[in-house]
Amino acid sequence: KAGVTQTPRYLIKTRGQQVTLSCSPISGHRSVSWYQQTPGQGLQFLFEYFSETQRNKGNFPGRFSGRQFSNSRSEMNVSTLELGDSALYLCASSPMGQGSQLETQYFGPGTRLLVL
Amino acid sequence: LAKTTQPISMDSYEGQEVNITCSHNNIATNDYITWYQQFPSQGPRFIIQGYKTKVTNEVASLFIPADRKSSTLSLPRVSLSDTAVYYCLVAPNQAGTALIFGKGTTLSVSS
Repeated sequence: KAGVTQTPRYLIKTRGQQVTLSCSPISGHRSVSWYQQTPGQGLQFLFEYFSETQRNKGNFPGRFSGRQFSNSRSEMNVSTLELGDSALYLCASSPMGQGSQLETQYFGPGTRLLVL
Repeated sequence: LAKTTQPISMDSYEGQEVNITCSHNNIATNDYITWYQQFPSQGPRFIIQGYKTKVTNEVASLFIPADRKSSTLSLPRVSLSDTAVYYCLVAPNQAGTALIFGKGTTLSVSS
C-alpha cells in the first residue's frame, strides 16, 4: 500500500498570503489528522477529520482551517500567513480513528512551509 | 490528558541496548502508552504500543509496571540508523484522539 502523501513538499510564501496544503491518506483510511511542528513548540495537533467532519480541534487560531473530501483526502488552509507559521506541517491517517484500542497513526513526510 | 516526562537526550554506542524511560504519573484507566520515532525532516513513525506488562515486536520492547505510572522503551542492539527523536505518548482510546507530543528524547548512537 502506498503511504501517506503530502503535497507540496516545500513551499515559500510571504506574510499575508494564504496557503493550501494537501494530504492523501493511506487507501482505506478514513481519519486524517494535521500537526504543526516547529523547533520551539514541537509537534502540535491542529485538527482531525473523519468522514468529512471535523471531529477534534487543537488550540490554533481560526486562520487555520481544513476540510476532508469524500475520498478521505484532506486539505488544510492557512490564511493571512505570519512569520511564525513557518513550520513542518504533518498529516497522519488511521483506519477509523476509533475503537477499543488506539489505532496507529501513519504520518506523511510533511510539507515544509517557509513564510518570508 | 496525562503529562509525560522523558529525558531530553541520551547517547549510546552501536550494539548496545538502550532503555528510554517515560513517566506519566496521572495516567488514566483507559489510557494507552505509545512510542513514536522521528528522523529529521520526516514524519513520526509508530514503534510500539501497550497498556500493561510487556509488549514486544520486531523493533522494540515496551515495559509497563503494574502501577502504569511509567514505561520503558527498550531498543536492543542499536545501530547508527536508530539515531532519532523518540516520543512517549499517553492517550485515551477515544475516537479522534489527538496525539499530544512532548519534547521527546533525542537518541544519538555513535560507532
